[in-house]
Amino acid sequence: DGGITQSPKYLFRKEGQNVTLSCEQNLNHDAMYWYRQDPGQGLRLIYYSQIVNDFQKGDIAEGYSVSREKKESFPLTVTSAQKNPTAFYLCASSMGKGGVTEAFFGQGTRLTVV
Amino acid sequence: GDSVTQMEGPVTLSEEAFLTINCTYTATGYPSLFWYVQYPGEGLQLLLKATKADDKGSNKGFEATYRKETTSFHLEKGSVQVSDSAVYFCALSWSLNKFYFGSGTKLNVKP
Repeated sequence: DGGITQSPKYLFRKEGQNVTLSCEQNLNHDAMYWYRQDPGQGLRLIYYSQIVNDFQKGDIAEGYSVSREKKESFPLTVTSAQKNPTAFYLCASSMGKGGVTEAFFGQGTRLTVV
Repeated sequence: GDSVTQMEGPVTLSEEAFLTINCTYTATGYPSLFWYVQYPGEGLQLLLKATKADDKGSNKGFEATYRKETTSFHLEKGSVQVSDSAVYFCALSWSLNKFYFGSGTKLNVKP
């Protein structure tokens, strides 16, 4: 089945450590996105990528980094510079290339930093 | 800039009641509009969409009509069920493929 896979579902890290969240899609989509969701709040865009080897900052990119070396993969690194990293992280993809289609979401990774 | 505003929740209804969740948008072009649903601890699932003015999206008894004149895309369902309890997000996107989401509206349906 085609879809987006985020792993792990739950992640615990100590304060000051970097952590990488995985996002893989087999939908052959060009565009991929990372969102952060805090309890009772909406989605805030961290980074997005329209094509391999290119990505842009979203609204809250500080303290995060991404790479897009392969079309199907868009990992997100939460660095120690992120002041409040505990949150629910959602990865999404869409067809891209100017044709607007819906975004497909993974099941999310809940990151807890202690 | 582009943005989406939706009614604050939570919205609490009895089973079989009529549902309306308001959504209005601000956009420089003519975006595509979407409603997504999120169940606890999960990602977002597309509920319905509309790509141009006067289009009506529908799915699982939910409907929304793209109203360009009022820049609105209100979600409606004639008879809600307990299983419809979730958080609903309105969203827009256009040619740059950036998606803008509303803050979400939590729906609680009581038996």
